[in-house]
Amino acid sequence: DVKVTQSSRYLVKRTGEKVFLECVQDMDHENMFWYRQDPGLGLRLIYFSYDVKMKEKGDIPEGYSVSREKKERFSLILESASTNQTSMYLCASSLSVNSQETQYFGPGTRLLVL
Amino acid sequence: AQKVTQAQTEISVVEKEDVTLDCVYETRDTTYYLFWYKQPPSGELVFLIRRNSFDEQNEISGRYSWNFQKSTSSFNFTITASQVVDSAVYFCALSEAGRGNNNDMRFGAGTRLTVKP
Repeated sequence: DVKVTQSSRYLVKRTGEKVFLECVQDMDHENMFWYRQDPGLGLRLIYFSYDVKMKEKGDIPEGYSVSREKKERFSLILESASTNQTSMYLCASSLSVNSQETQYFGPGTRLLVL
Repeated sequence: AQKVTQAQTEISVVEKEDVTLDCVYETRDTTYYLFWYKQPPSGELVFLIRRNSFDEQNEISGRYSWNFQKSTSSFNFTITASQVVDSAVYFCALSEAGRGNNNDMRFGAGTRLTVKP
């Protein structure tokens, strides 16, 4: 079974803090993704990575950055957290860049920015 | 433009009722893939099914069935004899082959299903 883990289930931070969300997958997948989920909006793609040190912007990259130094690990960084970044963050991975590939998700991190 | 529309925001049924979750998609690609995911209260999205655009055959898996109709751009999901454990948010998603060298998906807004005992 594919296993995608995220470093925290719940996180509370203050405005202006730097926040790191970590994601690890154990199936040697090429692609990794970060989404945020908000009520009524579904999942929106923030960034994805198709290889080590490679990254592509998704639909809502503003205020975020990412890092992929190792194939199994994909980090989402909020350089200066703001209250409008309070959300559920979901990490996913897929075997390859083919559009047919299923994405497998981690349990999510609920981030509250005060 | 919204690529995937799940018009039903919330549905509430009583246990053992059948329920259908609607999904309408929009694409100009001839090759694409449709997915359904379940998100229980624990938060993790669980993959349910993937269907490619060339296979319109309906699929049944236990109490779950999916009806794919290209003519109406719909990929609806039916749960027969619903159970309390089916309570979750369900997402429909689209992946288009024409988007190049990636497989980012477009998700609908989700439908929250509540099954009451």
